[in-house]
Amino acid sequence: GESVGLHLPTLSVQEGDNSIINCAYSNSASDYFIWYKQESGKGPQFIIDIRSNMDKRQGQRVTVLLNKTVKHLSLQIAATQPGDSAVYFCAESRNDYKLSFGAGTTVTVRA
Amino acid sequence: KAGVTQTPRYLIKTRGQQVTLSCSPISGHRSVSWYQQTPGQGLQFLFEYFSETQRNKGNFPGRFSGRQFSNSRSEMNVSTLELGDSALYLCASSSGDRTDTQYFGPGTRLTVL
Repeated sequence: GESVGLHLPTLSVQEGDNSIINCAYSNSASDYFIWYKQESGKGPQFIIDIRSNMDKRQGQRVTVLLNKTVKHLSLQIAATQPGDSAVYFCAESRNDYKLSFGAGTTVTVRA
Repeated sequence: KAGVTQTPRYLIKTRGQQVTLSCSPISGHRSVSWYQQTPGQGLQFLFEYFSETQRNKGNFPGRFSGRQFSNSRSEMNVSTLELGDSALYLCASSSGDRTDTQYFGPGTRLTVL
């Protein structure tokens, strides 16, 4: 079936290290992908997006990589900080007006 | 610029009742989407409105409905509440293009007893 999923439900990372969060999708028609961060008690916050005509996109301390061959995307966070502790969701969009979300990865930053 | 606002933030209802949730989008945004978030099912799409028209609908029963007003504010209604409707209901607004960034509100936490 169609789904957007993350490989690991939890990720523990040492402060200052780089984090990599992975996401797999199954629908080859997906052409737009987004990463959101959700902190406790808040709504999802946009981090970065990427269109299917790109392989890589960089933001401030974040990089998203898209591998269409294996239907995989990842979010890399450089120099992870305590404020990066949150649940991270990947989402994808096809030729419609909705986002399909993965299950989320909880990132915990160790001091 | 003010963000997406949702009212009320918390709501407690009993089974069989109905509820109406409200969402005010970012100024200038014409698209409002609604999502249900539960620990078991994650974030699931309910429906999306643009210029008072529903453009897409998720796989939820007819008890879930919505509408959008001419000022782009949106409401969603859930009738005959069930225990399983307990969730965080999130709305997101965007300019309306499919790949425009969707900005989320803080959500309404609905508890059905």
